[in-house]
Amino acid sequence: GENVEQHPSTLSVQEGDSAVIKCTYSDSASNYFPWYKQELGKRPQLIIDIRSNVGEKKDQRIAVTLNKTAKHFSLHITETQPEDSAVYFCAATLGTYKYIFGTGTRLKVLA
Amino acid sequence: GAVVSQHPSRVICKSGTSVKIECRSLDFQATTMFWYRQFPKQSLMLMATSNEGSKATYEQGVEKDKFLINHASLTLSTLTVTSAHPEDSSFYICSAREATDRVTLSAFFGQGTRLTVV
Repeated sequence: GENVEQHPSTLSVQEGDSAVIKCTYSDSASNYFPWYKQELGKRPQLIIDIRSNVGEKKDQRIAVTLNKTAKHFSLHITETQPEDSAVYFCAATLGTYKYIFGTGTRLKVLA
Repeated sequence: GAVVSQHPSRVICKSGTSVKIECRSLDFQATTMFWYRQFPKQSLMLMATSNEGSKATYEQGVEKDKFLINHASLTLSTLTVTSAHPEDSSFYICSAREATDRVTLSAFFGQGTRLTVV
């Protein structure tokens, strides 16, 4: 069945350093890949997304890359700040718009 | 982004009773809403896809008679946990996509409902 693997499960970085979270999806028909940030006890918030016809997308300190051949996509956060600390989820969607989420990455930015 | 409102945010109920959770899209029409369950420090597990005017599609392993879903309008979907037991205690969260959105495919989440069954 559909599956999205996400690594690492936890990530600690020093403030100002970069953080990279990687996901791999199983269904080659997936065509949309959003990333969500979830703070403790709150709803997931969409932070960036990418469609299958694009290889890279950037929004200020956040970027996402997609390798369709390898079925990999990654989230890159540069110049990390303490407020970036949260759980990040990747997802892959199929034509039915059903989201399959990765297992999450708990990011800690150390001041 | 679009606003999705979920109610209640917290509920405590006795074992054996039923609990209804509402998910509303406030400023857009949602043909499809999704219901998820999230255990502490874990990912979002899709339970079912709720389609307006038709039966919900449940994921494997999710009991449709246990988790009743009704999507009566383009702005409201409800999840009813029937005959709740302590193991049903969890964080339930919905998401919705705009009916006319064929481009971004973005989905927006409600604030979630923390259910505690005692």
